[in-house]
Amino acid sequence: DTAVSQTPKYLVTQMGNDKSIKCEQNLGHDTMYWYKQDSKKFLKIMFSYNNKELIINETVPNRFSPKSPDKAHLNLHINSLELGDSAVYFCASSQMTGGQPQHFGDGTRLSIL
Amino acid sequence: GNSVTQMEGPVTLSEEAFLTINCTYTATGYPSLFWYVQYPGEGLQLLLKATKADDKGSNKGFEATYRKETTSFHLEKGSVQVSDSAVYFCALMRAGGTSYGKLTFGQGTILTVHP
Repeated sequence: DTAVSQTPKYLVTQMGNDKSIKCEQNLGHDTMYWYKQDSKKFLKIMFSYNNKELIINETVPNRFSPKSPDKAHLNLHINSLELGDSAVYFCASSQMTGGQPQHFGDGTRLSIL
Repeated sequence: GNSVTQMEGPVTLSEEAFLTINCTYTATGYPSLFWYVQYPGEGLQLLLKATKADDKGSNKGFEATYRKETTSFHLEKGSVQVSDSAVYFCALMRAGGTSYGKLTFGQGTILTVHP
């Protein structure tokens, strides 16, 4: 009974393709996040949704489009993939109020050929 | 803006050595502070947290104290094990307002413990 699960775990594709990463949480949290971890392990937030509403949208290319069909799911679609998109993408969830910590998925390693 | 600075890695220690990983932060107001650990091939796991000045977070033998006067949250462990080898991240969450629970991370410190 994984708390935050992402699929796929690995994604290898060619430049120019479009791909999606899915995330689901069963913790009953109201907020979900996408983070990007680069090759130097640096983590940066990309998006956040609270109860299906976009609340954080950092400086991310328009090719990245998050979608939250309900508060337990947050998907990330990437158009026209570029070499620089190669990274590990982490989904996380939390209950927004009270400074609660975030729970992370195991990550999706995206490699662009 | 908010920022977190961790000591440069990688850190290499022998088993049973004392560990300190320095973390300092810049933030307005009174943020919550966290240490996360990432084992190879896995996601981040919360190691410990502190939500106000002078709070001490502790877990699995690790400790960190929220020091507002020095804006620091250094991670310590008295005796490390090989199984502690991982990447450690210090992070802050600004309180209230438009923070929306956003975490700002330090750059991560790679720890390797040899038998």
